[in-house]
Amino acid sequence: AQTVTQSQPEMSVQEAETVTLSCTYDTSESDYYLFWYKQPPSRQMILVIRQEAYKQQNATENRFSVNFQKAAKSFSLKISDSQLGDAAMYFCAYRPDSGTYKYIFGTGTRLKVLA
Amino acid sequence: KAGVTQTPRYLIKTRGQQVTLSCSPISGHRSVSWYQQTPGQGLQFLFEYFSETQRNKGNFPGRFSGRQFSNSRSEMNVSTLELGDSALYLCASSLTSGGLSSGANVLTFGAGSRLTVL
Repeated sequence: AQTVTQSQPEMSVQEAETVTLSCTYDTSESDYYLFWYKQPPSRQMILVIRQEAYKQQNATENRFSVNFQKAAKSFSLKISDSQLGDAAMYFCAYRPDSGTYKYIFGTGTRLKVLA
Repeated sequence: KAGVTQTPRYLIKTRGQQVTLSCSPISGHRSVSWYQQTPGQGLQFLFEYFSETQRNKGNFPGRFSGRQFSNSRSEMNVSTLELGDSALYLCASSLTSGGLSSGANVLTFGAGSRLTVL
């Protein structure tokens, strides 16, 4: 069975600094998708970034980028120039490439941004 | 374009009652998925629907059921409520069926329905 592990329950970062959130996963499949979702206090899950496993190039979205290491089954999220609005729970998620939206989520990392 | 709309946003029930939660997906989206979020178990998949057909179901008891209508709106029902059913129930929609040709077609989530069981 696939699993997703986020080993950092909570992280803090100073405003304008850079922070990296860790995520590891376990799967026997070769094709899959990985996501980072953000859940602010408003509760709505918001997609931050996504990565297709068959792509070697790491995905980037403005201040957000990932370090995807397929062999190591690692998928970390780097947030550059952190802003107060980045404070939220961040969830790493795995989706198999097998015709389903049955995501496997990690337990989340609470990110605090200090002014 | 309106997002995923879930109603009600908050509700309180007592043990033994039943509850129905509603989800209206983004216009044009035909796939709807439901997740339960609790502090102890995190985010867990409940079920997913595409074109009124349940395509997948998570590991939840039969008290949890759902359906999707021809307009893609979906409802989930929990009967004989237990204290442990207290949770945030999240609905998400997507454009496609999630098949192999769908690429990284992502889920767009609603704000959730917060259920408290007393």
